[in-house]
Amino acid sequence: GAVVSQHPSRVICKSGTSVKIECRSLDFQATTMFWYRQFPKQSLMLMATSNEGSKATYEQGVEKDKFLINHASLTLSTLTVTSAHPEDSSFYICSAREDSSNTEAFFGQGTRLTVV
Amino acid sequence: AQTVTQSQPEMSVQEAETVTLSCTYDTSESDYYLFWYKQPPSRQMILVIRQEAYKQQNATENRFSVNFQKAAKSFSLKISDSQLGDAAMYFCAYRSPYSGGGADGLTFGKGTHLIIQP
Repeated sequence: GAVVSQHPSRVICKSGTSVKIECRSLDFQATTMFWYRQFPKQSLMLMATSNEGSKATYEQGVEKDKFLINHASLTLSTLTVTSAHPEDSSFYICSAREDSSNTEAFFGQGTRLTVV
Repeated sequence: AQTVTQSQPEMSVQEAETVTLSCTYDTSESDYYLFWYKQPPSRQMILVIRQEAYKQQNATENRFSVNFQKAAKSFSLKISDSQLGDAAMYFCAYRSPYSGGGADGLTFGKGTHLIIQP
């Protein structure tokens, strides 16, 4: 399968600061990337969908001003958690898909964010 | 909105035995995709098997097979000859065929923790 690389795998930041998470498709061009959040021992919840060159579509209840998503190229999407608070601590996972047909979306390794 | 329900928080099976994980879903769409993902302790999501709703034949991947009952909106996963490496969280997921507006991201169930006893 195709490779999606997510960086960093772990990050600790102070409350009030911003942190950026990168999601890269290494061997294919991803027209669509997805960002999920997973709380401990819980399921993955879709936060937003980003299409290359256009604004991200956020799921209901997800603050777009807090979770900034940029998909400026076909191989890179970034999620920036702005003014982070301890309740933003979670596991964030991206996935990338080549096109809008029924092709599989491949997942990154995830990022463990801890806000202290 | 679609929902996915996994009613078994935890399942345990003896090595080499067969186990079935259940999944039901609710949707008004006639065409869609269903998936089973495995999440080991590393937390990397691994696709186990997928099923297109328009296909009547149940998908099979080596020791993994599904029982897809469209009318009942049921999508169970059977793991045959269970191995120690099968121990993980298993998530059932639904995807709409339509693109745009976030409609084709995955909706996940709460997961089933599978324990393999040696």
